[in-house]
Amino acid sequence: GQNIDQPTEMTATEGAIVQINCTYQTSGFNGLFWYQQHAGEAPTFLSYNVLDGLEEKGRFSSFLSRSKGYSYLHLKELQMKDSASYLCAVRATYSGAGSYQLTFGKGTKLSVIP
Amino acid sequence: DADVTQTPRNRITKTGKRIMLECSQTKGHDRMYWYRQDPGLGLRLIYYSFDVKDINKGEISDGYSVSRQAQAKFSLSLESAIPNQTALYFCATSDPRQGTDTQYFGPGTRLTVL
Repeated sequence: GQNIDQPTEMTATEGAIVQINCTYQTSGFNGLFWYQQHAGEAPTFLSYNVLDGLEEKGRFSSFLSRSKGYSYLHLKELQMKDSASYLCAVRATYSGAGSYQLTFGKGTKLSVIP
Repeated sequence: DADVTQTPRNRITKTGKRIMLECSQTKGHDRMYWYRQDPGLGLRLIYYSFDVKDINKGEISDGYSVSRQAQAKFSLSLESAIPNQTALYFCATSDPRQGTDTQYFGPGTRLTVL
């Protein structure tokens, strides 16, 4: 099985920086994704890491350490529209299927306050 | 026009009824997925299909069935709906030929079973 942990809720101030952590335990790791989901809407793709290190995309960056089973999503210059849930998802071998599947964490609800 | 569409967007039904949720995509992706999302539980995989002739059970397939009518269409059926199937349902698509095989989600169907 796979276990993915991320904080349930976080609060940060507009203009500030926030880091959302994700830890996972899995076999057959094949990549880690971050999605953003506004309430009642579809998850939208933010970033993908498969090798150790940092991936940067504008105000968002994501880091992966495969040996530690750890990733974080870093958001800078926070805006009110960044208030959303952030989902960590790990792609790994799915038992018996012989293929890779995506398992999602429960999400971190980020509230950006003025 | 949206790349991944789901119909209906909202549905209220009664216990024991058979219902179908439909997903269509114009992205040309071979892979399609059905997830459900419940508060506090995150996204969980119901069924997935890697091509028209390939259907696979996900983590929580009991009580559900699917049909892949064409590359662009993937339907989810609840044979006899029960209240604990009340949830937000998402369809997703992906294409492994595009490198990361990132999944892209439809807008969701909010299903309520009374």
